[in-house]
Amino acid sequence: DIQMTQSPSSLSASVGDRVTITCRASQGINKFLAWYQQKPGKVPKLLIYAASTLQSGVPSRFSGSGSGTDFTLTISSLQPEDVATYYCQKYNSAPLTFGGGTKVEIK
Amino acid sequence: VHLVESGGGLIQPGGSLRLSCAASGFAFGSYNMNWVRQAPGKGLDWVSLITSSGNIYYADSVKGRFTISRDNVRNSLYLQINSLRAEDTAVYFCASSAYYNDYFDYWGQGTLVTVSS
Repeated sequence: DIQMTQSPSSLSASVGDRVTITCRASQGINKFLAWYQQKPGKVPKLLIYAASTLQSGVPSRFSGSGSGTDFTLTISSLQPEDVATYYCQKYNSAPLTFGGGTKVEIK
Repeated sequence: VHLVESGGGLIQPGGSLRLSCAASGFAFGSYNMNWVRQAPGKGLDWVSLITSSGNIYYADSVKGRFTISRDNVRNSLYLQINSLRAEDTAVYFCASSAYYNDYFDYWGQGTLVTVSS
């Protein structure tokens, strides 16, 4: 099965900083990659699918890139409301594996 | 779209439980459906997928113990969990797949399953 590895596992950045999270697949998954945001105590929310397509209603400071095995989620200007854990997920075929998550905090 | 899970609770190791997810606001029968769980303080863990045509997939960790099913007349998704273990303790989310792609665009609020003696 394909494994999904996220890095870093946590980060602390200042408001306004550019934040980048990486997700690596152990085998190529084309662009079948989604990103989710989960705020503390809340249900996960879809941010990006097809590696780079922003879900409706998601702020444009979020962006995704990559294909094959290497993907990134970028927050162009970190806001206080972005404090959350972010997960990548492969969906080219089952098992629909999630990455381990990246916890984003404000410095 | 509205997904509401039920059926969670405190159960002893080795016990069984049936989780339900009531769906509304979309053409339930036309969409793939999933169960995803999250142990306390841990990450998201995909559990099982049932396609609109009835094909079924499981995570290796639950194969042989969990059974997913759906009732397209009642717009409901189910997860039968047997031989429960402490490591099955988690919030179980019902999530709908997007049309023709298995990323999850809608999630329920989750139901907590606690396995403890």
